[in-house]
Amino acid sequence: EVQLMQSGAEVKKPGESLKISCKGSEYNFTNYWIGWVRQMPGKGLEWMGIIYPGNSDTRYSPSFQGQVTISADKSISTAYLQWSSLKASDTAMYYCARPGVPGDMGPFDYWGQGTLVTVSS
Amino acid sequence: SYELTQPPSVSVSPGQTARITCSGDALPKKYAYWYQQKSGQAPVLVIYEDSKRPSGIPERFSGSSSGTMATLTISGAQVEDEADYYCYSTDSSGIHRGVFGGGTKLTVL
Repeated sequence: EVQLMQSGAEVKKPGESLKISCKGSEYNFTNYWIGWVRQMPGKGLEWMGIIYPGNSDTRYSPSFQGQVTISADKSISTAYLQWSSLKASDTAMYYCARPGVPGDMGPFDYWGQGTLVTVSS
Repeated sequence: SYELTQPPSVSVSPGQTARITCSGDALPKKYAYWYQQKSGQAPVLVIYEDSKRPSGIPERFSGSSSGTMATLTISGAQVEDEADYYCYSTDSSGIHRGVFGGGTKLTVL
């Protein structure tokens, strides 16, 4: 069974850096795009971006371009979402997710359990 | 940037038909997809490619699309269908950027 296992909840201060992870298992990690979705408290889903681990091709939503970095290490089947300087407005649940078809960019059929990021002074 | 517009809320009684709309300029050229998200859970895909239903999704869930509007229909809504529903599609830039609608809270009571 396809699994996306995300790293645990984080509590950080404004200005700090952070890298959260999403490890894929029970499928060929290299052949599937994997994306990140933000959900702020009480708000809707926001598509952040997507990466193809096979060649690191990455696409960002205009809203998140320059604000976060999406990367992947295919040797350990893990995708990452990172911030260089967190803001309080980055407080949210972050999901990684994967399409159902190899090579397809969407929609997302498989989802991680989510990583709650809290940024507070 | 590209936007998909949904009504914030829809309310029906059990057994009634619920319809949730999603409008977007690129929908005549791009498929719409629908997700159900229950409180504290990850989203679940309930409709793909405008009108197809994944295995395991009840037949009461259906989808359609015409022009710039896609519609999710729940025929004979059940109390357990109460959830947030999001449409999803992509823009027409050719770069492939996904976008979710703002979400619709479906209340069944």
